Amino acid sequence: GAVVSQHPSWVICKSGTSVKIECRSLDFQATTMFWYRQFPKQSLMLMATSNEGSKATYEQGVEKDKFLINHASLTLSTLTVTSAHPEDSSFYICSARDFLTVTNTEAFFGQGTRLTVV
Amino acid sequence: EDQVTQSPEALRLQEGESSSLNCSYTVSGLRGLFWYRQDPGKGPEFLFTLYSAGEEKEKERLKATLTKKESFLHITAPKPEDSATYLCAVQALYGGSQGNLIFGKGTKLSVKP
Repeated sequence: GAVVSQHPSWVICKSGTSVKIECRSLDFQATTMFWYRQFPKQSLMLMATSNEGSKATYEQGVEKDKFLINHASLTLSTLTVTSAHPEDSSFYICSARDFLTVTNTEAFFGQGTRLTVV
Repeated sequence: EDQVTQSPEALRLQEGESSSLNCSYTVSGLRGLFWYRQDPGKGPEFLFTLYSAGEEKEKERLKATLTKKESFLHITAPKPEDSATYLCAVQALYGGSQGNLIFGKGTKLSVKP
């Protein structure tokens, strides 16, 4: 299957600082990337959909000024958590869709980033 | 509203004891149903996509089936390395969630030697 690389795998930051998470598609071009947040024993909750070259579409209740998403190329999307607070601590996961596949429906996931805000 | 419900929440099996995981869904037209495996602290690993009722797919000890209302993930003679959380997700054809995956909460499978 296609490979999606997410970096860093874990990060600890101080309250009030910003953290950037990168999501790269390594062996395919991804017109669309998705950012999820996962709480313990809970579903993956979609935060936003990122399309290359355009503004991200945020799900209801997700603060776009707090979670900045940039999808500058067909292989890279970034999520920046600005002015992080302890309640932002969570597991963040990205996924990417390979627009060249026939079905164009399968999505492949990164390894996830464990963010801890202290 | 598009929705995915997985059961049971947790399942403990002895090595070699076959069983099934259930994924019930309601969706405004199904584009695809996905099964993923997720290990602790990792992102989901793709297993299968099913597109229409009656479809079946197999991979090693896993077999996924699909009806118009639910999907089953059958695990035959499981081994301890099959221990993980198994996630089910659907992609809708229509409505506000079109194109996005809607996930269930998962079934945490533990296989004891």
